[in-house]
Amino acid sequence: QVQLVQSGAEVKKAGSSVKVSCKASGGTFSNYAISWVRQAPGQGLEWMGGIIPILGTANYAQNFQDRVTITADESTSTVYMEMSSLRSQDTATYFCATGLRSFDWLTAFWGQGTLVTVSS
Amino acid sequence: EIVMTQSPATLSVSPGERATLSCRASQTISSNLAWYQQKPGQAPRLLIYGASTRATGIPARFSGSGSGTEFTLTISSLQSEDFAVYFCQQYNSWPRGTFGQGTKVEIK
Repeated sequence: QVQLVQSGAEVKKAGSSVKVSCKASGGTFSNYAISWVRQAPGQGLEWMGGIIPILGTANYAQNFQDRVTITADESTSTVYMEMSSLRSQDTATYFCATGLRSFDWLTAFWGQGTLVTVSS
Repeated sequence: EIVMTQSPATLSVSPGERATLSCRASQTISSNLAWYQQKPGQAPRLLIYGASTRATGIPARFSGSGSGTEFTLTISSLQSEDFAVYFCQQYNSWPRGTFGQGTKVEIK
């Protein structure tokens, strides 16, 4: 079973960027789809995008296509989510999640979440 | 984009009673639907996938049904640890899986 550990909470100024990491262990990292999901305070879940490291190309939801970049480092089994031009509405907890098996986009196993606070 | 609509927004249930949650897709998604449970301050936990398959370790009181556009999550006898928010998610249009807005199950 894959386990995901995310980087710690961040406080950022509006207009800056943030980069959140998600380190995987316990599975064949390169073949697992890693998704990023956002949850604003008291709100629902929003799929942002994801990547299968061995394939290299990330997929994005339309709402995040312009400001989010998802990358993977196979040497450290880590996936990164970088968001630019931050605004107050980006204040949220960001989760990474992965599937039950290789090449599976179902978000079965989740990281603990990373709170990103954007201040003006 | 496929839109997922959950109902009701809040469900008040007494411990030991049955809870029935609904999820509707804006277009057919076959059986490509998952249900998650989320408690405050925690990450979501996968309960059901393939509309009706329980994930590993999920108690038998949780069951899912439906296909096409209409889906149901049933909790047969609510335990204290089941009071939480439940989300459905379609994954027919992978990799872009959209979530419903959630149903909060609270103690009556």
